[in-house]
Amino acid sequence: AQKITQTQPGMFVQEKEAVTLDCTYDTSDQSYGLFWYKQPSSGEMIFLIYQGSYDEQNATEGRYSLNFQKARKSANLVISASQLGDSAMYFCAMREGWAAGNKLTFGGGTRVLVKP
Amino acid sequence: EAGVTQFPSHSVIEKGQTVTLRCDPISGHDNLYWYRRVMGKEIKFLLHFVKESKQDESGMPNNRFLAERTGGTYSTLKVQPAELEDSGVYFCASSLSGGVRTGELFFGEGSRLTVL
Repeated sequence: AQKITQTQPGMFVQEKEAVTLDCTYDTSDQSYGLFWYKQPSSGEMIFLIYQGSYDEQNATEGRYSLNFQKARKSANLVISASQLGDSAMYFCAMREGWAAGNKLTFGGGTRVLVKP
Repeated sequence: EAGVTQFPSHSVIEKGQTVTLRCDPISGHDNLYWYRRVMGKEIKFLLHFVKESKQDESGMPNNRFLAERTGGTYSTLKVQPAELEDSGVYFCASSLSGGVRTGELFFGEGSRLTVL
């Protein structure tokens, strides 16, 4: 069964606008972590933001915020004030349990293209 | 400080040949992971080293894949003999021990393998 689902294969966003990337997950664990990574054309996977299942507040990192809705099992990434450099692939990932040694399960990714 | 480095960045080989991918983690990182993304599919976990020991190799697809981590430093992933379905991007990542609750997993730029 697919554990991380990213339903948007690709999307355009206008520069300076906000964009929301969807991510839903499936797990029976109570303890888990959710991650978002950015993969620009250079290929490197860049960590953006992390949300723990017990974290009460939504995580924020600069222009990135994670809209964590635990009951709905969703962890959407919001990028505010999009920049041209935000054009990239974005991956949602989950780590189940605290002792999983950072073994991650990834979604299929969403390609974002920021238009000037 | 250097990040995770991978070599080669791209390798093109014929079916039946052997390829060895190398990963140099960030200095001091005990944890080293291999992931791969086959065309059109999600990024999948392959295995996890803690220092020189294999902690989890549940994601290794078959016995044509052999991973080593000499002296707990760099790691190699050998594919022998390569098959067409092995084509994809192989990512290496590293993290410090204890980096469980946050996204302290640093990825390299990946090694693209094309098997003809």
